[in-house]
Amino acid sequence: QSVLTQPPSASGTPGQRVTISCSGSGSNIGSNTVNWYQQLPGTGPKLLIYSNNQRPSGVPDRFSGSKSGTSASLAISGLQSEDEADYYCATWDDSLDAWVFGGGTKLTVL
Amino acid sequence: EVQLVESGGGLVKPGGSLRLSCAASGFTFSSYRMNWVRQAPGKGLEWVSSISGSSGYIYYADSVKGRFTISRDNAKSSLYLQMNSLRAEDTAVYYCARAAVTTGDGFDIWGQGTMVTVSS
Repeated sequence: QSVLTQPPSASGTPGQRVTISCSGSGSNIGSNTVNWYQQLPGTGPKLLIYSNNQRPSGVPDRFSGSKSGTSASLAISGLQSEDEADYYCATWDDSLDAWVFGGGTKLTVL
Repeated sequence: EVQLVESGGGLVKPGGSLRLSCAASGFTFSSYRMNWVRQAPGKGLEWVSSISGSSGYIYYADSVKGRFTISRDNAKSSLYLQMNSLRAEDTAVYYCARAAVTTGDGFDIWGQGTMVTVSS
């Protein structure tokens, strides 16, 4: 059971906008910034969003992040087939003194 | 080129030990907090341990506390994970990952991973 809760799956058709939620508590998302990672099939993770809503250089602006209270969201607009991947949220937990990850959301592009 | 390369994975019996290494290149290793993150087959990401640039701050996941030890050698630009009393549930791909202040401590560089299998 992950400390951060994500839906196990999400889907959309090319061009659509999809959102992935990440729910936590006051000791993690409520107190710290959230990062998002993308893991394409058969590859290692890649930092997609940091500090709730910042994109590393090279990440398309189709990807955006937000945070409110103890929840965060990742939005992908103009969905493309190459966006099919697993997505993970992560943040520091002040009570556990540990980084915590969500269970991951498998995005399928129909 | 900024790069992390893990090594040391393999097959080990329950109760055994293994030492993973991560060789860093292309950046000033001592300036960055480093992490180990693992992924069991078909499962999600699990953070394992973190060490600050000077080794002054070290953290572990509860699942490995007392069994795993993280360390680093800044002169060799290398990160290590000593794993003792291994269990079947430690079977996973182990990634080393760099945390950068410029990305809010997000893990911005990852290695390709090294597989650890704990089985009799």
